[in-house]
Amino acid sequence: EVQLVESGGVVVQPGGSLRLSCATSGFTFDDYAMRWVRQAPGKGLEWVSLITWDGGSTYYADSVKGRFTISRDNSKNSLYLQMNSLRPEDTALYYCARSYYYMDVWGKGTPVTVSS
Amino acid sequence: QSALTQPASVSGSPGQSITISCTGTRSDVGGYNYVSWYQQHPGKAPKVMIYDVTKRPSGVSNRFSGSKSGNTASLTISGLQAEDEADYYCCSYAGSGTSVFGTGTKVTVL
Repeated sequence: EVQLVESGGVVVQPGGSLRLSCATSGFTFDDYAMRWVRQAPGKGLEWVSLITWDGGSTYYADSVKGRFTISRDNSKNSLYLQMNSLRPEDTALYYCARSYYYMDVWGKGTPVTVSS
Repeated sequence: QSALTQPASVSGSPGQSITISCTGTRSDVGGYNYVSWYQQHPGKAPKVMIYDVTKRPSGVSNRFSGSKSGNTASLTISGLQAEDEADYYCCSYAGSGTSVFGTGTKVTVL
């Protein structure tokens, strides 16, 4: 069974840092690009970042560019999101998703709250 | 990276057909055949219903269909059922590795 399990979400103060993880199983991880997508409470979905299968290329939404870094460890079948200079507007449920030009498998998400 | 425009809500009676529109620009919806649609029930992760404008993943009901004309994509749900009540989001590739989601549509089954 294909599974994606996010972790690392906590309450953090504005300006703080956080690293999210996405552990995967049930498929050949390095065959796929991966994305992070977030959803603020009561709001819609927002694409955050994309990483290619080999980690060679990364892409970011303008709202997080320069503050967030996506990475992966294919030997551990894991995806990461390093989040720095966090702002209250980064408060959201963060999903990782297996990707083509669309997202076919999603995790359940991990909640991040940025508040003093 | 402006969100694609969807109607806030659409409703229909059981058995009816409804269509949700998703309007972007020639830089996203109009420029690529990479529009996907996601269904999200409350408290659940999104589920892909349509990808590459018209393709349906294995296991998704054939009551769901997608199309595109110019800068506007559409999702049609035929034979509306109670279980179709959910939020629906379109998403388009927007070039240079980026994607953009729609504003979301709440579907209500009357």
